[in-house]
Amino acid sequence: QVQLQESGPGLVKPSETLSLTCSVSGYSISSGYRWGWIRQPPGMGLEWIGSIFYSGSPFYNPSLMSRVTISVDTSKNQFSLRLTSMTAADTAVYYCARWPDSWGPGSLVTVSS
Amino acid sequence: DIVMTQTPLSLSVTPGQPASISCKSSQSLLHSDGKTYLYWLLQKPGQPPQLLIYEVSTRFSGVPDRFSGSGSGTDFTLKISRVEAEDVGVYYCMQSTQLPRTFGPGTKVDIK
Repeated sequence: QVQLQESGPGLVKPSETLSLTCSVSGYSISSGYRWGWIRQPPGMGLEWIGSIFYSGSPFYNPSLMSRVTISVDTSKNQFSLRLTSMTAADTAVYYCARWPDSWGPGSLVTVSS
Repeated sequence: DIVMTQTPLSLSVTPGQPASISCKSSQSLLHSDGKTYLYWLLQKPGQPPQLLIYEVSTRFSGVPDRFSGSGSGTDFTLKISRVEAEDVGVYYCMQSTQLPRTFGPGTKVDIK
């Protein structure tokens, strides 16, 4: 059974860059599926950030495209999210997922000085 | 972007009674490959979303058969035949036909 786990800082300062990693176990990323990131501001709904196939180009939400990078490291069976120029509006729980059937528990990221 | 709307936004249900949630998309979700990529997810309190239904009507592994999905084009419905206490949470519809993937606002279901 596939399991995903997000890791990264819980607190980021405004204008800084967020880097999150999703570690996957129980399934090889290079076996298939798209791998994605989704976020959820406190008390609000879900926003798709983007996704990537292990051997293909990523797809990004146009609303974040200028700031986001998703990459895959098949040797570590991990994929990562990088989001630049963070603001308070980026405060959210960030989920990684084997799109769309298996989700990690989520990682709360707060943007504050 | 495809806009997903859901009705109602909240629902209070007596255990054992049925429940129904409507989801509408601003554009047809029929993909050029002939499939319709409409999903239903449930987010239980304090948990990540979990997949219930994919491609309109197929239950994901382990999902009880009291959950069913139907619809086509732009109109979709999730039905729970007999609500149980463990079904509380927020139900989201989501489309994966077009980029960017988009979610409905969610329907909060609680037990009377």
